[in-house]
Amino acid sequence: IAGITQAPTSQILAAGRRMTLRCTQDMRHNAMYWYRQDLGLGLRLIHYSNTAGTTGKGEVPDGYSVSRANTDDFPLTLASAVPSQTSVYFCASSAGAPHNEQFFGPGTRLTVL
Amino acid sequence: GENVEQHPSTLSVQEGDSAVIKCTYSDSASNYFPWYKQELGKRPQLIIDIRSNVGEKKDQRIAVTLNKTAKHFSLHITETQPEDSAVYFCAARPPEQGGADGLTFGKGTHLIIQP
Repeated sequence: IAGITQAPTSQILAAGRRMTLRCTQDMRHNAMYWYRQDLGLGLRLIHYSNTAGTTGKGEVPDGYSVSRANTDDFPLTLASAVPSQTSVYFCASSAGAPHNEQFFGPGTRLTVL
Repeated sequence: GENVEQHPSTLSVQEGDSAVIKCTYSDSASNYFPWYKQELGKRPQLIIDIRSNVGEKKDQRIAVTLNKTAKHFSLHITETQPEDSAVYFCAARPPEQGGADGLTFGKGTHLIIQP
């Protein structure tokens, strides 16, 4: 059982390029989330999905989009990357209420130059 | 939206002593409060959580207390060990309202255990 995986592990990207970060879970969790982690700022929610077919905006959604075509996958797309999107990105999933625990993926370190 | 404040940002304690990390939250409707531990270069991992209908929860050397009236909750680690050195994050989750979900995190506390 893999749990929750992310790809790539790290990426260096030129500003203006399009990039999709992949996230897959095999726990059949309904809810999935994308967070970014920046030094001194903690983790901030970008987008979430409570169930397949639905998505919602978190605290810092600008410049990012997501889709949830099925239960397992929740890709995050940067349509035109900017240097301020340099960060570590964590995907997470949870079974949903009342089981609120969120399980995190290993993270993707993204550098936008 | 929810706002979570966490203190201190850095905490250094002698091995064997206790450590306390405090968080406050703004949304009185929040009902779930987890604590995550993150080691350098690793993913955050849940160490303990508490729901709003409970005032205290313990798991071996770790305990969390919740004061709903004051809107604050704290993590207590007793008999600290070197492997407790990490960054700890508190979080709050407002109840799902029209699809709103996800955790609001504090900015983290770097706990250093001095030998």
